[in-house]
Amino acid sequence: EAQVTQNPRYLITVTGKKLTVTCSQNMNHEYMSWYRQDPGLGLRQIYYSMNVEVTDKGDVPEGYKVSRKEKRNFPLILESPSPNQTSLYFCASSLSRLNEKLFFGSGTQLSVL
Amino acid sequence: DQQVKQNSPSLSVQEGRISILNCDYTNSMFDYFLWYKKYPAEGPTFLISISSIKDKNEDGRFTVFLNKSAKHLSLHIVPSQPGDSAVYFCAAQQTNDYKLSFGAGTTVTVRA
Repeated sequence: EAQVTQNPRYLITVTGKKLTVTCSQNMNHEYMSWYRQDPGLGLRQIYYSMNVEVTDKGDVPEGYKVSRKEKRNFPLILESPSPNQTSLYFCASSLSRLNEKLFFGSGTQLSVL
Repeated sequence: DQQVKQNSPSLSVQEGRISILNCDYTNSMFDYFLWYKKYPAEGPTFLISISSIKDKNEDGRFTVFLNKSAKHLSLHIVPSQPGDSAVYFCAAQQTNDYKLSFGAGTTVTVRA
């Protein structure tokens, strides 16, 4: 089944404790991206990747890192999480960047205490 | 500053009637627009899209209208069904830019 898999679904952590949210897609998609969803703000793009080893900042990249060492994986890293990073996170992928629909993962609810 | 705005946070409609969701954008360089639907505890799923070279695109019960001069698009759902109860996000993209901008979403509730 074609899908984008995120783990974990729920995560509670404390300020400053490094964490990684994993994302994997099995559709051989070139483009992958991370979003955070906050009430009243919708989905805001954190980082995106056009292909292996090619990444760039979205609208809200501060406090986050990403890597794209393999085509299928695009982990989101929070080196030193802070409470303002408490949010619902979505990973997404598409065949290419141009006018292609995104396939989303089921989301990761992160709480930073 | 949000470049894509959905000014109605919620919409309640009776089953069988039309749902109209609105979306405004400020960036005149946007040339591709999409609507996504999201159920609780799930990721958004693609619903329908429209290119700026068109002013209407239809897919079954869903029709998207684009008014470029007003920088406005709308999604019509006819007839509305209980399964349409969800959050709907409008999104816009500029073809030569990798970024995709989303609105804040509109929660649709279809009443039986």
